[in-house]
Amino acid sequence: KNQVEQSPQSLIILEGKNCTLQCNYTVSPFSNLRWYKQDTGRGPVSLTIMTFSENTKSNGRYTATLDADTKQSSLHITASQLSDSASYICVVMTGYSTLTFGKGTMLLVSP
Amino acid sequence: DAGVTQSPTHLIKTRGQQVTLRCSPKSGHDTVSWYQQALGQGPQFIFQYYEEEERQRGNFPDRFSGHQFPNYSSELNVNALLLGDSALYLCASSRGRRGLGDTQYFGPGTRLTVL
Repeated sequence: KNQVEQSPQSLIILEGKNCTLQCNYTVSPFSNLRWYKQDTGRGPVSLTIMTFSENTKSNGRYTATLDADTKQSSLHITASQLSDSASYICVVMTGYSTLTFGKGTMLLVSP
Repeated sequence: DAGVTQSPTHLIKTRGQQVTLRCSPKSGHDTVSWYQQALGQGPQFIFQYYEEEERQRGNFPDRFSGHQFPNYSSELNVNALLLGDSALYLCASSRGRRGLGDTQYFGPGTRLTVL
């Protein structure tokens, strides 16, 4: 069964600090992995997308890594801002046919 | 350039009723996917429409149906509403023929509450 597990479930950090969110997946065959940011009550917004051959990708203060051998990904947020408070969702695609979503990590950046 | 738009923003229905949600894709996009997101959960894929036909479908009962119009906009219909249908319904649009493999842009969602 295809599964995407994210950790931690929730996280509180101080403004200006860095943090790393984790995503482990058991999906086959793997096509790509995406990280989305979802503000409360809003639709997800794509941050990064990585294929099998990519092991890191950045989008401003967001850097995603992918280890296809261990089936793990991480999203690192640098110099956090209050606006980073949101849910971060890891999504893995199999071939071109199935998207499997994680439950998300709820991040709260505190002043 | 307007992104993906959805209407209504919020909706309250009672059990057994029927509901129609609407979605207009991002300009230039021809594919619309619908997702259900329960509180505290990740989105679950309902179905995808391309060229006015349902191309793929997730594990949802036949109470969930949809339609795509020639202008690529789409509707999601849910019949015989259950309390468990309460969720945020997300529409995502994309361009191309790769189905869910295309980059999807999400709308703000419609919050459905079933009482």
